[in-house]
Formats: sequence, structure tokens, C-alpha cells
Amino acid sequence: NAGVMQNPRHLVRRRGQEARLRCSPMKGHSHVYWYRQLPEEGLKFMVYLQKENIIDESGMPKERFSAEFPKEGPSILRIQQVVRGDSAAYFCASSPSQGNQPQHFGDGTRLSIL
Amino acid sequence: DQQVKQNSPSLSVQEGRISILNCDYTNSMFDYFLWYKKYPAEGPTFLISISSIKDKNEDGRFTVFLNKSAKHLSLHIVPSQPGDSAVYFCAALTQGGSEKLVFGKGTKLTVNP
Repeated sequence: NAGVMQNPRHLVRRRGQEARLRCSPMKGHSHVYWYRQLPEEGLKFMVYLQKENIIDESGMPKERFSAEFPKEGPSILRIQQVVRGDSAAYFCASSPSQGNQPQHFGDGTRLSIL
Repeated sequence: DQQVKQNSPSLSVQEGRISILNCDYTNSMFDYFLWYKKYPAEGPTFLISISSIKDKNEDGRFTVFLNKSAKHLSLHIVPSQPGDSAVYFCAALTQGGSEKLVFGKGTKLTVNP
């Protein structure tokens, strides 16, 4: 499967725990984006990364959320001390470069907070 | 402030007819527009896009029209098929800036056999 791979598909956490969401971009893609979708809403941009660099994190909450895209390995979206409001579907997308290149999405991680 | 609006939460059409999904935007800096299709429990799948230098782009049964003066775009699907039943999202971005996509809330299309 050469598509964007996200894992886990479902993640259940208790309030106060940490959640780690992983994303492997499509082969040849060096740009990674994270979006969050709440029920009955569209996807909201969180962060845009290239290898070892955060390009735009304007959509990410200032506290408890962090993202990285290391030189080796998948991109990680990390949520510390989760709260009920963090329950959502988190989607990762990748593209080969900037410009007229559509972003291709993974199937998401559904995060549920008990 | 919602910069991309899809005012119809749902649309129902008969198989073989045309489906028209509409999208309005408020940010005049947007210059690249995309349509995605999404099935439940899956990620959005890219369908078709259009740059602001064009007013129409066609790909098979899918055509996107852009009216820049009205800040309006539409997706036409003809003929519609039951497999087209999904949620359709309109998205926009500003090239040369951050590559973040701004999405509408989606329109759920149901194509009845």
C-alpha cells in the first residue's frame, strides 16, 4: 500500500494520559500535514511539517499538543494530558512539494477520551 | 469565521441525473481549490482541483466551475452513480503561503438507484 499510513486507527485514552498518533507519508512525499475533524464539522488544519522542520503550527493548540517529523521514521502528533474535548478524528496528509499538488490523506486515527 | 462555506448539508439525486454541489468562499487570497470525497471511517480522497487562473476543469464525470467574482465554485457529477454517495468537501488554499487547506463542513450526497 503506497498510500498515507496512519496508526493506530482507533485509540482510547483516559483523561490525563498521553496520546501518540503516527503518520507515514506516501513514498516520495516530504510534506506532512495534520488535521482534526470534530463530529459534523469539516477538517481543521493543525500543523504543517517537512523533515525535521515545523513550517506552520498556527492551527495547533499552544499547550499539550506537539508534532514532529524526524529525519527517519513517521511523523508523530503527541497530545499530553488528554481531555474529553480532544476526542476527534485526526487525519494526516502528505504531498510531494508545494504548489499545485493535492494533499493525499490517510484514513485517520479516531481518538476517544474516557 | 468560516472562510469556506458549503451551505447545503445534504443533497439527494436520482441515479443518472446531475449532482451539483456548491461552495462559497470569503478569502480573496485563495487561489487553488479542491474537492474531496469522503466515505465513513475513511480519509478524504482527492477528486479534482482548479487553479484561480481557470474557470473550469473537467475529469471524466466530474467538472469543477470557478466564478472568482462571486467567490463561488461548484462540482458537477454527471451522470451520478450510487457509488458517488459520500460526503463531499470543498477546500481552498493560498499558494506560496502556508499550504494549509481550509475546508467547508461538507455536503452529504445520496444517489438513489
